Amino acid sequence: EAGVAQSPRYKIIEKRQSVAFWCNPISGHATLYWYQQILGQGPKLLIQFQNNGVVDDSQLPKDRFSAERLKGVDSTLKIQPAKLEDSAVYLCASSIIRGAYRGSSGRHGTDTQYFGPGTRLTVL
Amino acid sequence: DQQVKQNSPSLSVQEGRISILNCDYTNSMFDYFLWYKKYPAEGPTFLISISSIKDKNEDGRFTVFLNKSAKHLSLHIVPSQPGDSAVYFCAASSSFSIGGYNKLIFGAGTRLAVHP
Repeated sequence: EAGVAQSPRYKIIEKRQSVAFWCNPISGHATLYWYQQILGQGPKLLIQFQNNGVVDDSQLPKDRFSAERLKGVDSTLKIQPAKLEDSAVYLCASSIIRGAYRGSSGRHGTDTQYFGPGTRLTVL
Repeated sequence: DQQVKQNSPSLSVQEGRISILNCDYTNSMFDYFLWYKKYPAEGPTFLISISSIKDKNEDGRFTVFLNKSAKHLSLHIVPSQPGDSAVYFCAASSSFSIGGYNKLIFGAGTRLAVHP
């Protein structure tokens, strides 16, 4: 089974330029996530799609970041214009929806998220 | 607002000994916890998880313990092997979050080095 694909792997741009990242999730996975991982920190969720609809974009800086998943498969994350503080690794992940997880005693599980290798962005 | 904290940025352990990685959380609404492992230039990979209805989950050399009253979980690796050298992230989720049970909040990670 092919994993989550991301491109490019590395990108160096100057501040105020634009950049776009592409992600192709695992085939059949309905949910797609974009994370930002700043050096020394854990991944932070930027946006979550279920099929081609947005589930959560509460932490996406919408004045400069945008993302789309038009056909419910692959996705693009764009930054325009980039700032120095956008330097980070941008991770894409996907998961399959397995259905109900909560039993009478409480929650039993979650969808496993499979991550791509990430795109390392450097803004100069 | 760090809801998931890994206070040890690094840990060094001798091969064959036990590695213990710790994680604390502040949000009492978290009801599922996960550990991810990350090698350089790769994305994180799922390692083991635990539901809040349990206090222990074991998978081979890896065991996760959850202490809900202390809002603390730990990952034990026994015995540690050089191939375990990686960054380990603790993550938590809540059934009641905006994104549903799939929204993960990650800690900053602990870099484990297992030396011969």
